[in-house]
Amino acid sequence: DAMVIQNPRYQVTQFGKPVTLSCSQTLNHNVMYWYQQKSSQAPKLLFHYYDKDFNNEADTPDNFQSRRPNTSFCFLDIRSPGLGDAAMYLCATSSSTTYAETQYFGPGTRLLVL
Amino acid sequence: AQTVTQSQPEMSVQEAETVTLSCTYDTSENNYYLFWYKQPPSRQMILVIRQEAYKQQNATENRFSVNFQKAAKSFSLKISDSQLGDTAMYFCAFMKSNSGTYKYIFGTGTRLKVLA
Repeated sequence: DAMVIQNPRYQVTQFGKPVTLSCSQTLNHNVMYWYQQKSSQAPKLLFHYYDKDFNNEADTPDNFQSRRPNTSFCFLDIRSPGLGDAAMYLCATSSSTTYAETQYFGPGTRLLVL
Repeated sequence: AQTVTQSQPEMSVQEAETVTLSCTYDTSENNYYLFWYKQPPSRQMILVIRQEAYKQQNATENRFSVNFQKAAKSFSLKISDSQLGDTAMYFCAFMKSNSGTYKYIFGTGTRLKVLA
């Protein structure tokens, strides 16, 4: 089945220690998104890639970066994680952003910052 | 700015009964799209149902249906014949074009528990 895969499902890091979360997709979608979801809150869009074009949300902290080396993979880098960055990170894909396409989500990576 | 409000943080329903989850939104737009997503425990979020604002007919997907009241800016989800597998977090989402790009605005979710 075509799907969105996130690894690892759980990640523990130390305060200030860089961490990378990964996402891969077999849907061959043009767009890949990263959302941050804190407990009992709505998912918040951090940024998205349309092919190789990176689109950052205005309120996404500089501490968060992303890379998309090819169509299938996208990475979320947190350069210096703080305690407030502990959250579930969701990756999603869609075929386009120029129409109201359904987004397909991965299972998420839960990040714990010690 | 658009906002999406889900006023019921938690709900429960007996198996086989019907439950309605509420969602209201605020927008001045005329063309937009509304979605309900389901996020089961420790599993990915999946689309339950979507509604185009220009369509007057309420969307239906098997046991799931919506009551879309455009004038009232209300988009409730009705789950009929509730099943244990319906236990999940449900998110209402709004989408419109912003300078040619479509993005979701999510509500804070309703946690639904189906009781045996």
